[in-house]
Amino acid sequence: KNEVEQSPQNLTAQEGEFITINCSYSVGISALHWLQQHPGGGIVSLFMLSSGKKKHGRLIATINIQEKHSSLHITASHPRDSAVYICAVGGGTGNQFYFGTGTSLTVIP
Amino acid sequence: NAGVTQTPKFQVLKTGQSMTLQCAQDMNHEYMSWYRQDPGMGLRLIHYSVGAGITDQGEVPNGYNVSRSTTEDFPLRLLSAAPSQTSVYFCASSYRARNTEAFFGQGTRLTVV
Repeated sequence: KNEVEQSPQNLTAQEGEFITINCSYSVGISALHWLQQHPGGGIVSLFMLSSGKKKHGRLIATINIQEKHSSLHITASHPRDSAVYICAVGGGTGNQFYFGTGTSLTVIP
Repeated sequence: NAGVTQTPKFQVLKTGQSMTLQCAQDMNHEYMSWYRQDPGMGLRLIHYSVGAGITDQGEVPNGYNVSRSTTEDFPLRLLSAAPSQTSVYFCASSYRARNTEAFFGQGTRLTVV
């Protein structure tokens, strides 16, 4: 069973397009994290949120606790946004993160 | 600040060999953890620690040992490497287990032949 489901698995976009990546989870959580992983690279935390919405530059993350759903939006996408985006949830009762399998994004110039 | 330093970046082992993956953080974080990343699967928790002297098993602990003698260091030991342990390994740390930002090391690509 997958506690965290992401969609789509793969996404190709033209430069400038608005992108949405979705994350649904089935466990009670204390916080949800969006992570970015460049090819061959390490993992960087983009957002941590437990309610509402956060914005960093062209990136926006939202979460709906009642629906157990989060979205990551990228406005005016750029080729440097090409990466794998991973949704992770921090368990509400335990000391463990549950990870989605990631969304591989390719932005074409 | 170096953040989370993980070494080595690449390693090839023969079946049955042992090795230690090093992980160090300089942020005085309580929580440290090790994950493996395999194609088509999300990161899976191997072991974690909520503070010096305290460790616990995650989802896939078999074949791995950890210790936490200091706040800064959290090494992962492969006792007798097997081809099934071929994977990319990530160390992570955060101030607490919950509701705090996680910082990841650069990863170790391990191949067991």
